[in-house]
Amino acid sequence: DAEITQSPRHKITETGRQVTLACHQTWNHNNMFWYRQDLGHGLRLIHYSYGVQDTNKGEVSDGYSVSRSNTEDLPLTLESAASSQTSVYFCASSGDLNTEAFFGQGTRLTVV
Amino acid sequence: TQLLEQSPQFLSIQEGENLTVYCNSSSVFSSLQWYRQEPGEGPVLLVTVVTGGEVKKLKRLTFQFGDARKDSSLHITAAQPGDTGLYLCAHRDDKIIFGKGTRLHILP
Repeated sequence: DAEITQSPRHKITETGRQVTLACHQTWNHNNMFWYRQDLGHGLRLIHYSYGVQDTNKGEVSDGYSVSRSNTEDLPLTLESAASSQTSVYFCASSGDLNTEAFFGQGTRLTVV
Repeated sequence: TQLLEQSPQFLSIQEGENLTVYCNSSSVFSSLQWYRQEPGEGPVLLVTVVTGGEVKKLKRLTFQFGDARKDSSLHITAAQPGDTGLYLCAHRDDKIIFGKGTRLHILP
């Protein structure tokens, strides 16, 4: 069965370190998204991609970057982790407009 | 960015009661989606509404898209503990923008 997986599920890192969160989907979807979820803010869009070599900034993109070298993967990199980036991160993928978005199980990141 | 306002933020009711949660905006949408998220999991799509005035039913859940396509509601009949979760509405165009959600708790 097709799926979307995130790794790691939990990570603790120190302030200033570079961190990469992985997202891998086997749906062959062109569209992929990264969100962070915090109490009181809901799901906020960080970056998204419509296909290989395409990346776009979302509403909270500062301090984050993504790259899309193939259809299956959209890794999210925190260039220099900050305590404000402690959050739960969700990756999603989808097909065309109005179709269902499938979410990973999330990565809980703690920056100390 | 088209803002989606969800209300109430929190709702705790007894099993067997009925409830309605709302998703409102000042913008017109081509479609709206409703997702449910359980603790420790990612959101899962419940329904997509596309046509103004559209009503869709999913067992005890009834979804309605406003005539003007600016708002939507979710009505749950005879709520059960399994309905507990975070209900999110989302606007889907080239990206997916979510409201902050309604956190629903059904007491047994």
